[in-house]
Formats: sequence, C-alpha cells, structure tokens
Amino acid sequence: GEDVEQSLFLSVREGDSSVINCTYTDSSSTYLYWYKQEPGAGLQLLTYIFSNMDMKQDQRLTVLLNKKDKHLSLRIADTQTGDSAIYFCAVSRPGNTPLVFGKGTRLSVIA
Amino acid sequence: EPEVTQTPSHQVTQMGQEVILRCVPISNHLYFYWYRQILGQKVEFLVSFYNNEISEKSEIFDDQFSVERPDGSNFTLKIRSTKLEDSAMYFCASREGQYTDTQYFGPGTRLTVL
Repeated sequence: GEDVEQSLFLSVREGDSSVINCTYTDSSSTYLYWYKQEPGAGLQLLTYIFSNMDMKQDQRLTVLLNKKDKHLSLRIADTQTGDSAIYFCAVSRPGNTPLVFGKGTRLSVIA
Repeated sequence: EPEVTQTPSHQVTQMGQEVILRCVPISNHLYFYWYRQILGQKVEFLVSFYNNEISEKSEIFDDQFSVERPDGSNFTLKIRSTKLEDSAMYFCASREGQYTDTQYFGPGTRLTVL
C-alpha cells in the first residue's frame, strides 16, 4: 500500500524559511495535502496541491511537487513562533479514498 | 466558516465499556470518515461512509467498531467493548462530494481507556 515518509523534526530561527519534505510511493496519488496540528488540537488543513501542478503559493506557504520523484515540500516563509506545530503530509487517490498520512514533522521555531 | 464538530473533547472509560463518539460533519457534505491517532504515531484511517453505508474500512475497524448516521446531522463511532489499546485521538472528517476531494477534520475526541 501507499507509504508516506517525512523527517520527524525541524528546528529553525524566527524569520527564516522552513522547508518540510515528504515522499510518497503511490504514483497514482492525485491529491496531496499539508495539515497542521498544534498541541492538543485537531488537524487544520493548510494547503493542498493536485498532481497536475508543480507549485502552489498561498501567502507565506509554497508547495512544490516533483511528481517524477514523488516528492512534496512545504516552504514557510518568514517563520514565526506561532508556526511551531506538527505538519502532516497526506496523500490520496481520486474518488472516495482515505487519506494516507506521514508521521508528521515537528517544527520548532526558535526566537 | 462551516466546520466539523466533535463531542466530547475528552472521554475517559473503563476497559470493556462501550463508548460512542459523536461528530457533526459540515452540513452539505456527503462523505464521512473516522481516523485515529495513537499518541505520537501516524494518523490512521478507520472507516469511510457514504449514502448510509460503509464504503471502505481498514484492518483496525474490526467487529468492535460500528458507525451510524442516526439522523441528518450526526455521524457516530461506537466501540462496543473498549480495550486499553483503543486509547487514542479520534478524528472525524467530511468531504463535500464527488468532485471535491478535500477532507475537513474535526478537533478530535481524546479517548482514554483505563
């Protein structure tokens, strides 16, 4: 089945850019998502990209997709302390299919 | 902005007891899901539900689990006889329809089995 991998930890200084990486195995994954989870909270949809796109930008967030390498990244510009959270990559195939999540990357922002 | 809601936020139960976790999906959504996250682990799919029946379920979703949409708004997950290993955060999600694949998650119910 599909496997989604992420590095577990990332530490950046406030004001720097953060880049969180994700790889997946199923080339038929069509929808790719980034969710944010703050401590004790639920999963907040941050952004998503379709597999026919290479890049999507939404304010401070940039998603890059390399479909050939099955590699997805989330770049957060001007990272703030409020961005400290766990970021989950999730992918799905078309239709009524479940999301497959990575283990999440814990982003720590140092003031 | 419409959102998925879940109750209770935290449920503590004794092993062997039945629990019902409740979710109210976004009102015009047609597809519903339950996921769970054991502390420190991945978010795992449990079950999907559409048109009043289960569409797909994972290996985790055994006979101890059931789902129901008892009325036009609620979507429930029942665990018949809880085990210690059922302790987890349970997330409900909903999706609008056939041409929209984005799933929106509720805040979760933390289930603690003692």
